[in-house]
Amino acid sequence: GDSVTQMEGPVTLSEEAFLTINCTYTATGYPSLFWYVQYPGEGLQLLLKATKADDKGSNKGFEATYRKETTSFHLEKGSVQVSDSAVYFCALSDGGTGNQFYFGTGTSLTVIP
Amino acid sequence: GAVVSQHPSWVICKSGTSVKIECRSLDFQATTMFWYRQFPKQSLMLMATSNEGSKATYEQGVEKDKFLINHASLTLSTLTVTSAHPEDSSFYICSAIQQGRNSPLHFGNGTRLTVT
Repeated sequence: GDSVTQMEGPVTLSEEAFLTINCTYTATGYPSLFWYVQYPGEGLQLLLKATKADDKGSNKGFEATYRKETTSFHLEKGSVQVSDSAVYFCALSDGGTGNQFYFGTGTSLTVIP
Repeated sequence: GAVVSQHPSWVICKSGTSVKIECRSLDFQATTMFWYRQFPKQSLMLMATSNEGSKATYEQGVEKDKFLINHASLTLSTLTVTSAHPEDSSFYICSAIQQGRNSPLHFGNGTRLTVT
């Protein structure tokens, strides 16, 4: 079945460092891919998405490219800020009428000044 | 757009009482809503899928009689934790999806339930 494998954390970076959080997926069809962010004590917020191969999702300086050949959707940011400290979830939607979503285990990011 | 409101954000109750959590899609119609449970520093655990006008579909291991889900309209789903016990203390998050392929999930801000 469909699944998402996400880089385990926690990740600790200094401010302005480069961030990569790896995410790979397994899917039988043509899924859509998402990154969600969860700040402490809050629900999840959609960060970015990509709905087909080679699409690049971007938002707030974060980017992720839908790579079908490597079944990956790695999250990147060139220069992280303290305010980026949160838990990041990679997710997949099978895109069918069932609208099933599959989440990775989450990666905790802490950015230190 | 696509705002999901979840209420209450935090509730403390005594063992044996019931607690109702509401999830509303404020600016879109959600034919499907999902309820998750999240333990500290862990990922989301899908509890059930709620479709408007029909019975919820529960994941394996989730007690239907304990976690009552009602999806009475296209903008409201409720989760009632019945006869709550301390082990039910957790963070509960709802999400809703708009119709259409490739639509993302939109999440509420979660409800922190503490059962004493």
